[in-house]
Amino acid sequence: EVQLVESGGGWAQPGRSLRLSCAASGFTFDDFAMHWVRQVPGQGLEWVSGISWNSGSTVYADSVKGRFTISRDNAKNSLYLQMNSLRTEDTALYYCVKDIGLELRYLDFWGRGTLVSVSS
Amino acid sequence: DIQMTQSPSSLSASVGERVTITCQASQDSHNYLNWYQLKPGKAPKLLIYDASKLETGVPSRFSGSGSGTDFTFTISSLQPEDFASYFCQQYESLPFTFGPGTKVDIK
Repeated sequence: EVQLVESGGGWAQPGRSLRLSCAASGFTFDDFAMHWVRQVPGQGLEWVSGISWNSGSTVYADSVKGRFTISRDNAKNSLYLQMNSLRTEDTALYYCVKDIGLELRYLDFWGRGTLVSVSS
Repeated sequence: DIQMTQSPSSLSASVGERVTITCQASQDSHNYLNWYQLKPGKAPKLLIYDASKLETGVPSRFSGSGSGTDFTFTISSLQPEDFASYFCQQYESLPFTFGPGTKVDIK
């Protein structure tokens, strides 16, 4: 059974950092690209970032470019999102999402999310 | 970026009713469109991919159609477990973008 379990969310002040993790199981992790998607509570969904199977390709939404870094450790079946220079508008539920293939193709299976709250 | 619009933003329906949601892309998205179901506290679920293909394990009362810029999502006979929010999403180009969602609640 495919499982994606996010962790690392919490409260942070503006300008500070958080690192999200996603533990994957139930599939061959290094056969698939991965993504982060966020949802502001009560609002819509925003794709944040994606990474190819071998980390050769990483792409970011303009809203987080230069502040967030996506990475993966295929040996540990884990996906990460390093979030620096946090802003109040980064407050959201962050989902780890599996792609259907090696490269960035489309969103397939989602985790339940981890909540990030940024405020002073 | 491809902008996605979706309507209605919310609807009230009864069990057994037919529900239709529309989604429009600002540019030709071919058939690169997904539909997801979101319920509070649960992982979002992929229902339809490639605009009209039913994801494995998803009941056949869910269907999708369309291509280019205009897409439709239908629940043929609404069931109690279908009360949720539904989002369309294009993957013709990065950044992937979502419609604003449709909340389906009980009439």
